[in-house]
Amino acid sequence: SQQGEEDPQALSIQEGENATMNCSYKTSINNLQWYRQNSGRGLVHLILIRSNEREKHSGRLRVTLDTSKKSSSLLITASRAADTASYFCATKANTGNQFYFGTGTSLTVIP
Amino acid sequence: DTAVSQTPKYLVTQMGNDKSIKCEQNLGHDTMYWYKQDSKKFLKIMFSYNNKELIINETVPNRFSPKSPDKAHLNLHINSLELGDSAVYFCASSQVNGAGAFFGQGTRLTVV
Repeated sequence: SQQGEEDPQALSIQEGENATMNCSYKTSINNLQWYRQNSGRGLVHLILIRSNEREKHSGRLRVTLDTSKKSSSLLITASRAADTASYFCATKANTGNQFYFGTGTSLTVIP
Repeated sequence: DTAVSQTPKYLVTQMGNDKSIKCEQNLGHDTMYWYKQDSKKFLKIMFSYNNKELIINETVPNRFSPKSPDKAHLNLHINSLELGDSAVYFCASSQVNGAGAFFGQGTRLTVV
């Protein structure tokens, strides 16, 4: 299976703290993306990092990519209650357009 | 203006029935997908279409038949529904260059 793994499966933090989620994958990739899913909703694209990039920022999000370890991390700084959601990484291979999703991290930010 | 819309949002049906889920995107994207999310939130790709042509069929039972009348629509027809088909089905679209995908709100299918 090309599905990636994420850890932790669940994370609970206080508002204002930073949240870090990790993603490991198995195959060579063209890019890696992070998505958020609020309960009962569809997925929302957050950020994309290409295989030749090591770090990317977008607002309070920071993503790193280590292709030698086949891993990525998503850091959300100064978390807010509204950040409570499930976060998924998704990898795109060098061929084809499909994305393979990780198992997801459920983040709870306590006000 | 909804970018990717799928209908219905909820679908409850009995085993053995045939049902369809419709999906439309107004983003002008060339590629559309169907994903299945199970009760543990695992998201698994089912089909990928590029310009109405099937690209990927990830070992999905042939009871599932996607149909793409044009590149803005990708419908999913399911024959002889089984209990294990209960899940949330997401339609998505992206540009060919593999940028971020846009997802619909999902269809929660419950087979009883």
